Amino acid sequence: SQQGEEDPQALSIQEGENATMNCSYKTSINNLQWYRQNSGRGLVHLILIRSNEREKHSGRLRVTLDTSKKSSSLLITASRAADTASYFCATDKIQGAQKLVFGQGTRLTINP
Amino acid sequence: DGGITQSPKYLFRKEGQNVTLSCEQNLNHDAMYWYRQDPGQGLRLIYYSQIVNDFQKGDIAEGYSVSREKKESFPLTVTSAQKNPTAFYLCASSVLAGEAGELFFGEGSRLTVL
Repeated sequence: SQQGEEDPQALSIQEGENATMNCSYKTSINNLQWYRQNSGRGLVHLILIRSNEREKHSGRLRVTLDTSKKSSSLLITASRAADTASYFCATDKIQGAQKLVFGQGTRLTINP
Repeated sequence: DGGITQSPKYLFRKEGQNVTLSCEQNLNHDAMYWYRQDPGQGLRLIYYSQIVNDFQKGDIAEGYSVSREKKESFPLTVTSAQKNPTAFYLCASSVLAGEAGELFFGEGSRLTVL
């Protein structure tokens, strides 16, 4: 069963603009992670935010977590053509078996 | 360099045949995972293992089998019982630390049934 749901499913913006992707989940979590996948490749970990954290930054990435709304957002600032990829959120449920459940992803296209 | 190696990258199978996908890691991670990805979809967990000689079913284990005889190896067999095996298969590993940590992924194996 899918725990995380990303929104939008697809996003197309101009280079230099900011891109925001959202993730909603259903049950209480230990942490939430964001991954990136270039077409036909494996996933690459971007950032992990724990349930007791509200915001985290890594370079041009900013992740927020609102546990009361069971939602997270990933902001990519000053987008570049190389940011074109699919982005997935993944959650680790409390009392789960230390396994991540992935959403269906947001396909981001950065137009030059 | 440390990482996860999946092979083969592309595999074609005739209906009724079993195929085995290889996954090897040299990260000294305890946990290993197999995910399936269909076009435009997220990842669904097939099997996972947290220790040698032990593994658990994920959400879509039917038609698949695994083994974990060595810490660094976690092969996946797609059996003829899997009704729709054409997909992109991803292997991953992680450190066990009381909660699910960062997953390190291989580059995937694309299986096509002819």
